[in-house]
Amino acid sequence: GNSVTQMEGPVTLSEEAFLTINCTYTATGYPSLFWYVQYPGEGLQLLLKATKADDKGSNKGFEATYRKETTSFHLEKGSVQVSDSAVYFCALGDASTLGRLYFGRGTQLTVWP
Amino acid sequence: EAQVTQNPRYLITVTGKKLTVTCSQNMNHEYMSWYRQDPGLGLRQIYYSMNVEVTDKGDVPEGYKVSRKEKRNFPLILESPSPNQTSLYFCASMRGSNQPQHFGDGTRLSIL
Repeated sequence: GNSVTQMEGPVTLSEEAFLTINCTYTATGYPSLFWYVQYPGEGLQLLLKATKADDKGSNKGFEATYRKETTSFHLEKGSVQVSDSAVYFCALGDASTLGRLYFGRGTQLTVWP
Repeated sequence: EAQVTQNPRYLITVTGKKLTVTCSQNMNHEYMSWYRQDPGLGLRQIYYSMNVEVTDKGDVPEGYKVSRKEKRNFPLILESPSPNQTSLYFCASMRGSNQPQHFGDGTRLSIL
């Protein structure tokens, strides 16, 4: 079946530090992969996506590369800011499971000035 | 503006009193879903819908009902709410399978 496993949090970093949040997946088909971000008190927003192997999604300085060989989609940012403090969710969408997204449990990121 | 609108945003109620959380999207999306978010468990899908009159169970459907009579609306119904349904609920829509989902701002339900 389909599932997503992401790094347990919370993650605490100083401003300008390098960020990695690990995400691995299992899928029966050819999934698309997503990272969503949830700021305090808000709903989830799409951060970036990749639809096929070796695609790199990027947005707001965040990047993630779809690695089929390692079934991974790790989120990275070279220099985090206080405003990046949020909960990050890795998710998988598979065309064979119509209308469904499979989410990881979320990773809380706190960035200190 | 493209959006998913949920109402109410907050609700405190008592066990057994039927309630409905409404969800409406203005993007003409085929797919809509309901999730609940609980600490340490992330988001779990309750129900989803592929089109009008087509719905299916997600991971945690017990105690919930949905309907999809119109493309834009996808209400979540708790016929007899219980305290274990206290949670943060999100509605989402998407244009097609394998596409990003657009989320509402959430509804925080407290069942006493």
